[in-house]
Amino acid sequence: GDSVTQMEGPVTLSEEAFLTINCTYTATGYPSLFWYVQYPGEGLQLLLKATKADDKGSNKGFEATYRKETTSFHLEKGSVQVSDSAVYFCALAYDKVIFGPGTSLSVIP
Amino acid sequence: NAGVTQTPKFQVLKTGQSMTLQCAQDMNHNSMYWYRQDPGMGLRLIYYSASEGTTDKGEVPNGYNVSRLNKREFSLRLESAAPSQTSVYFCASREGVLNEKLFFGSGTQLSVL
Repeated sequence: GDSVTQMEGPVTLSEEAFLTINCTYTATGYPSLFWYVQYPGEGLQLLLKATKADDKGSNKGFEATYRKETTSFHLEKGSVQVSDSAVYFCALAYDKVIFGPGTSLSVIP
Repeated sequence: NAGVTQTPKFQVLKTGQSMTLQCAQDMNHNSMYWYRQDPGMGLRLIYYSASEGTTDKGEVPNGYNVSRLNKREFSLRLESAAPSQTSVYFCASREGVLNEKLFFGSGTQLSVL
């Protein structure tokens, strides 16, 4: 079946550090891939998406590339800020949308 | 400009009781979803409806039933609540399938004692 695996957290980084959150997926077809973010006390918001292999999604300094050969969609940011502290969810979508377990990120000054 | 509206926001049940969570969207979206969110487990898909008149099981459908009443409304029913169903429930919708983002309701905090 379809599933999404993410690196376990929590991840703690200092401000301006480089961020990578790993995401791999298992899919029976060719899904679209998403990263959602949940800030403390809020609902999920779309961060970025990619709809086909080799597409790169980007938003707010975050990037992720759809890698079909490695079934991955790793999230990266070159320089994190305290305001990036949140839980990040990787997801795949056909008619259904399946989320990974989430990775908690804390950025300290 | 309501978006996705869920009711109730909070609910406490006793084991064995039944209840229905209501969800309505005013964006004319075709697809609707029910998720539960538990600590450390992310959002798990319970049921979804890709279009009016269809419903399908997600990852964790046992103990739940759904009804797509019309294009706007998608309800989730717990026939005999169990403590394992204590969770935060989210309804979501999107215009179609594949590429569109999800719009989420504000969630229902359910406790089963």
